[in-house]
Amino acid sequence: AQSVTQLGSHVSVSEGALVLLRCNYSSSVPPYLFWYVQYPNQGLQLLLKYTSAATLVKGINGFEAEFKKSETSFHLTKPSAHMSDAAEYFCAVVSGGYNKLIFGAGTRLAVHP
Amino acid sequence: SAVISQKPSRDICQRGTSLTIQCQVDSQVTMMFWYRQQPGQSLTLIATANQGSEATYESGFVIDKFPISRPNLTFSTLTVSNMSPEDSSIYLCSVRRGSEEQYFGPGTRLTVT
Repeated sequence: AQSVTQLGSHVSVSEGALVLLRCNYSSSVPPYLFWYVQYPNQGLQLLLKYTSAATLVKGINGFEAEFKKSETSFHLTKPSAHMSDAAEYFCAVVSGGYNKLIFGAGTRLAVHP
Repeated sequence: SAVISQKPSRDICQRGTSLTIQCQVDSQVTMMFWYRQQPGQSLTLIATANQGSEATYESGFVIDKFPISRPNLTFSTLTVSNMSPEDSSIYLCSVRRGSEEQYFGPGTRLTVT
């Protein structure tokens, strides 16, 4: 069965520091992987996606993620955190032929001055 | 992308009553989904609603409790029946374009007293 595991329910960084949010997937077939962001009291916004093309994926707001099959990982990074990045981030997976988007538990990112 | 609206945006309901949540999409989509996000939790898929067929429910969710309608390719409703405080959650409508990207509505924040 497909699943994703997000390591760290809370991550805190200083403004301007590197952001690294971890996601590992479990899938028996090549997956589609996604990162979503949820700002307080809002719905989910798609940050970026991996769909078996380039392994380094660039998304909105300066975020990017790298698909590493050998490590079954799809970690989200941003070189320099901004206060406006404070939100909940969800990693999600859809396996080929399996139409359900399954979410990880989420990581709450706090950015402090 | 897709523009998705939900009504109501929030509601406070008494236990034992029912609430119907509407989801409207700006263009036709084949696959629509309903998710629940309990306080401080990740998203859990309730059911998949495809036009012209019965909704497919995930384990732990039943039609009598969460009846769904999908009368056309731009609209769906989810009813939360015989509500209890445990049903207090955010309910999100979601649509998929093609085989990849999935978009979410702003959610309906339900509080049951």
